[in-house]
Amino acid sequence: GAGVSQSPSNKVTEKGKDVELRCDPISGHTALYWYRQSLGQGLEFLIYFQGNSAPDKSGLPSDRFSAERTGGSVSTLTIQRTQQEDSAVYLCASSPGSAGQETQYFGPGTRLLVL
Amino acid sequence: AQSVTQLDSQVPVFEEAPVELRCNYSSSVSVYLFWYVQYPNQGLQLLLKYLSGSTLVKGINGFEAEFNKSQTSFHLRKPSVHISDTAEYFCAVMNTGFQKLVFGTGTRLLVSP
Repeated sequence: GAGVSQSPSNKVTEKGKDVELRCDPISGHTALYWYRQSLGQGLEFLIYFQGNSAPDKSGLPSDRFSAERTGGSVSTLTIQRTQQEDSAVYLCASSPGSAGQETQYFGPGTRLLVL
Repeated sequence: AQSVTQLDSQVPVFEEAPVELRCNYSSSVSVYLFWYVQYPNQGLQLLLKYLSGSTLVKGINGFEAEFNKSQTSFHLRKPSVHISDTAEYFCAVMNTGFQKLVFGTGTRLLVSP
């Protein structure tokens, strides 16, 4: 079946612009996660959704970062007023809400470059 | 809070040789343990996981790992590597009461002929 998909695959933006990153989880998966992978910080958790609610958003680095999930499916990560330190690969993952919920399936990521 | 240590940033090995990638974790509560592999310009793929039960777990592509609670380790092994195993390998833990993964810094496995 189809895996987790993310768009765009690459995004180049100028400092100060806003960007939106999209994640389509595996159909039927109720849990969705965002992570960031950067050279300096490695793989970091950003936010976790269960359905449309975000019980854990402890990893969002600043109030410039926000995320939402609608219809229990697609999620959008928004970065406002981008900074050069936001350059990273943003990974999305999903997992079933019941049995097997501990296993996260990752998408290919969105590579963001802020100039 | 949990943390994961992968002491080896890079492991060079010849094809058909055995390999062990080390992972140690720290946690005050029970955890699940995972190994993921990342090929260039791709996302993370699950190799194997330990949830409970037998401490030796087998995964895809001939990899296996052993959970050692007393040493808080979860080392990954393969008896004979292939060129195609060249990739970055990440060890991760998850608190059984929460959902987020905490990753190590990764080990780059370089397999040469």
